[in-house]
Formats: sequence, structure tokens, C-alpha cells
Amino acid sequence: GAGVSQSPSNKVTEKGKDVELRCDPISGHTALYWYRQSLGQGLEFLIYFQGNSAPDKSGLPSDRFSAERTGGSVSTLTIQRTQQEDSAVYLCASSRDSKDGYTFGSGTRLTVV
Amino acid sequence: QKEVEQNSGPLSVPEGAIASLNCTYSDRGSQSFFWYRQYSGKSPELIMFIYSNGDKEDGRFTAQLNKASQYVSLLIRDSQPSDSATYLCAVKDGSYKLIFGSGTRLLVRP
Repeated sequence: GAGVSQSPSNKVTEKGKDVELRCDPISGHTALYWYRQSLGQGLEFLIYFQGNSAPDKSGLPSDRFSAERTGGSVSTLTIQRTQQEDSAVYLCASSRDSKDGYTFGSGTRLTVV
Repeated sequence: QKEVEQNSGPLSVPEGAIASLNCTYSDRGSQSFFWYRQYSGKSPELIMFIYSNGDKEDGRFTAQLNKASQYVSLLIRDSQPSDSATYLCAVKDGSYKLIFGSGTRLLVRP
């Protein structure tokens, strides 16, 4: 596609529920990243996918967070048993390769109530 | 812990002036440097990148890099109210991960 597509744009969920966030990167971009931005805060790295290599999961804050990337394209970030501190904007980005700057999607605003 | 530091601002400049945004980084191994612009409620947008010491110009924007001082700056000439946004500095250490500063809020007064 023309840009990085994320869905849903907004998600309100009850504490304890599971949520899935989806990212469709720019066609041909082999690198995909997930970041999190809490209100008034900087961007926090979560996970990185590059082609068929093992992902770098070092930024995932707890084992409630997981992500996968199917077929080297679409990625899903799953948060299990959501907590209020998970409320943030989740941003997906892609790049042609790992040396380039990223192009961000419009994000998913997650609110846990 | 690799860090990228920015003054949170706000930096307020009059329309037509030069806005100077600064960033320091802790990792001497950093190799590439990026500036993103983020409007309120929107996602970051890449506006400049620089790899080598010196200046890089693109329209009204100039990125400056001094690796010895571990310092990156962004100059915006002829600032416009539409430039009002948060500017994020990001640093890559030669691998793939961008480390972001917390951003400087710029206000351009008409």
C-alpha cells in the first residue's frame, strides 16, 4: 500500500481483556517495528522484525505482550490481560531495510478502563 | 543505557525567524541521526536524516551533526506557524533500532 496501515485506530477495552493490534507495512519494506508512546512521553521500542530472521523482542515490557509477522508482511501485536498502564498509542513503522529511517503508521490509541 | 536528550521546550519563535532545535546522545557508536516532526494527535513524520559530520540542507531545514561533541541540531529557517509541532530527535547505533528523544515542542508565533 501507499503507507503503513494500522487498525483499529482507536480501541477501548476493559481491564483484563485481550486485544490485537494490526499493522500492514508498506509493500516491499522488509523491516517492521512496533513502538509505544504514552501521553506526553517519548517513543518506546517494543519489537523488530526483519525478513525471516528471528525478531528482536527485547523491548516488550512483559510476557503479556507478544507479536508475530506472517508471510513477511502483516504484523499483529497482542496484549493479554490488559492493564491500565498499557494505555498508550501503539505505533507501527516499516522501512525498506534496517539502515533507513522509518515510516510510521497513524497508530492505534489503546485505552484500558 | 543509550540515551537521547532534548529540551522539552516549548521553544517559542516569531514567524520568519530561525528555530534551532538541539539534541545530544550518549552512544559514541551512533552512526545515523534522524529528525521527526509530530503534530499533536498525529504520528511522527521523517523530515531529515544525516550520517556524516557537518551540515545537510533540505529546503528550509538544515541538520547539523558534530560527532565529537555528540550533538545534533535542526535549524528551521523562515519559521511558519505550520511548523509548530513537537520535533523528535532519533539516533541509530549502526543496527536497526532507533532511540528517540522525548521531543522539543516548537511554537511559531504569527
